[in-house]
Amino acid sequence: AQSVTQLDSQVPVFEEAPVELRCNYSSSVSVYLFWYVQYPNQGLQLLLKYLSGSTLVKGINGFEAEFNKSQTSFHLRKPSVHISDTAEYFCAVTRPGTYKYIFGTGTRLKVLA
Amino acid sequence: ETGVTQTPRHLVMGMTNKKSLKCEQHLGHNAMYWYKQSAKKPLELMFVYSLEERVENNSVPSRFSPECPNSSHLFLHLHTLQPEDSALYLCASSQAGGRTRDTQYFGPGTRLTVL
Repeated sequence: AQSVTQLDSQVPVFEEAPVELRCNYSSSVSVYLFWYVQYPNQGLQLLLKYLSGSTLVKGINGFEAEFNKSQTSFHLRKPSVHISDTAEYFCAVTRPGTYKYIFGTGTRLKVLA
Repeated sequence: ETGVTQTPRHLVMGMTNKKSLKCEQHLGHNAMYWYKQSAKKPLELMFVYSLEERVENNSVPSRFSPECPNSSHLFLHLHTLQPEDSALYLCASSQAGGRTRDTQYFGPGTRLTVL
């Protein structure tokens, strides 16, 4: 069965510092991987996704993620965060040919002034 | 209206009430989803509709009853709920057929409290 682990429930970071949010998944078959962001009182919004091809994926708002098959990871990074990046970030995995998305428990990013 | 809208945004109901949540998407998508978001838990996929046909029912109790009258509208009918059903209910839609490679677009959710 597939699963997603986001080990960090909360990550505080100062403004303009770099940040990495970790995501590990378990699956014995090929997968699609996603990062979504949820701002307060809003639904989820796609940041980026990996379907195939280049393992480095660039998304919106300056975020990027790297798919590492050997380590079954898909960590999200940003070189310099802003106050406006304060939100909850969700990693998700799906398998081709199914309708099921498996989400992690989320990481709350708090950017400090 | 653009994107995915949900009404009501907040709902408080007793355990014996019957209520419905509504979702509408203005994106021309063919697949719609219901998720439950509880604190400290992963998002739980509840139901998936593709071209108005239910294609996924993720072991959801029968006190939750979905309805998809057309590809733009999705309802979640609620009856005899339990306090543990209190959560944020999110609706999402995606393009043709609900293939998992397609991006899902989420509504803002309905915050449900069951007393």
